[in-house]
Amino acid sequence: NAGVTQTPKFQVLKTGQSMTLQCAQDMNHNSMYWYRQDPGMGLRLIYYSASEGTTDKGEVPNGYNVSRLNKREFSLRLESAAPSQTSVYFCASSEELYWGYVTEAFFGQGTRLTVV
Amino acid sequence: DQQVKQNSPSLSVQEGRISILNCDYTNSMFDYFLWYKKYPAEGPTFLISISSIKDKNEDGRFTVFLNKSAKHLSLHIVPSQPGDSAVYFCAASVSGGGADGLTFGKGTHLIIQP
Repeated sequence: NAGVTQTPKFQVLKTGQSMTLQCAQDMNHNSMYWYRQDPGMGLRLIYYSASEGTTDKGEVPNGYNVSRLNKREFSLRLESAAPSQTSVYFCASSEELYWGYVTEAFFGQGTRLTVV
Repeated sequence: DQQVKQNSPSLSVQEGRISILNCDYTNSMFDYFLWYKKYPAEGPTFLISISSIKDKNEDGRFTVFLNKSAKHLSLHIVPSQPGDSAVYFCAASVSGGGADGLTFGKGTHLIIQP
């Protein structure tokens, strides 16, 4: 059972380049999330998607865009990468027991992104 | 301002003893709390959770205690084992507030010494 799969695992970008981080889950979850983890900062929510076709900003959305392609896939795009976006990015998904009440989130293994 | 605080960046405990990790929160709307464990180069994995209607939840060696009046929760690991060495994140959410994710603390690095 794959759970949450992220690609790529590692990426180095030059300042100004663009890229898309891919995420797919096979648990039939409605809710999906993108977090970033920085040293000493914990995990911070970038964007989330409560269901297919909807996306909302989290705590740190600037410089990112997302697409909820279908129920399984949620991608994160950096249009013009900056060194401040050097981080580890985690995708997650969670089950919604009833409207607005989500249980624990399941995380992918992360993408380590370096912007030089 | 941080809504979930883990004030100890690291904690060292001897194998076999009790590990106690602490977490404080400021948002009184939080009603569901979770602990995640993270090894290097891996994603966080869910460990244990507690709803605000309870003050204790146990799962094997892991127990989470919630003190709502103090806005404080703690994770107890008894007995501590070498495989417990990891970073532990406290997280909180508001049920009924939409699927807007979890708010995480900065984490505590637990080191179990042999």
